[in-house]
Amino acid sequence: GAGVSQSPSNKVTEKGKDVELRCDPISGHTALYWYRQSLGQGLEFLIYFQGNSAPDKSGLPSDRFSAERTGGSVSTLTIQRTQQEDSAVYLCASSPRSGTGYEQYFGPGTRLTVT
Amino acid sequence: AQSVTQLGSHVSVSEGALVLLRCNYSSSVPPYLFWYVQYPNQGLQLLLKYTSAATLVKGINGFEAEFKKSETSFHLTKPSAHMSDAAEYFCAVRGGGYQKVTFGTGTKLQVIP
Repeated sequence: GAGVSQSPSNKVTEKGKDVELRCDPISGHTALYWYRQSLGQGLEFLIYFQGNSAPDKSGLPSDRFSAERTGGSVSTLTIQRTQQEDSAVYLCASSPRSGTGYEQYFGPGTRLTVT
Repeated sequence: AQSVTQLGSHVSVSEGALVLLRCNYSSSVPPYLFWYVQYPNQGLQLLLKYTSAATLVKGINGFEAEFKKSETSFHLTKPSAHMSDAAEYFCAVRGGGYQKVTFGTGTKLQVIP
């Protein structure tokens, strides 16, 4: 079946502009995560959606970052007034609610470059 | 609360040598543990996972990991490194079915011919 997809694959934007990054999780997966990976850095947790529960937003670095998940499926990560330090690869992952291990399935990422 | 520590941000091994990547975790409940691999310019893919069944877990590409509760460790090994193993490896823990996953900072493996 289809895996996690993300769009766009690459995004170049000017400093101060807003950007929206999209994630389509695997159908039926109730959990969805956003991570940020800067050059040479590990995975930085941003936000976690689990079913209908309130999202865990504890990783969002500032109020310029927000995310929503509509209908328990597609998610959009929005960065307002982008800064150069926002340049990174943004990874989305989904995970089933049940089953063994709850492993995550990652999308290919969106590479964001803020000029 | 849960956390993961990966010792060594960079590890170099010779082709054919043993690969050992270290991971220690902390978790207040019995954990689920994972190793993911990220090849250059690609997303992460699951190598193997521990889910409280067998303590020695075998994954793809000849990798395996052993869960040691007494040492709170989940080290990743492979008997003989191959050039294609060069990648970044991430250890992760999940303290329960509804908790978020916490990742380590990653270990970049270099394989020297």
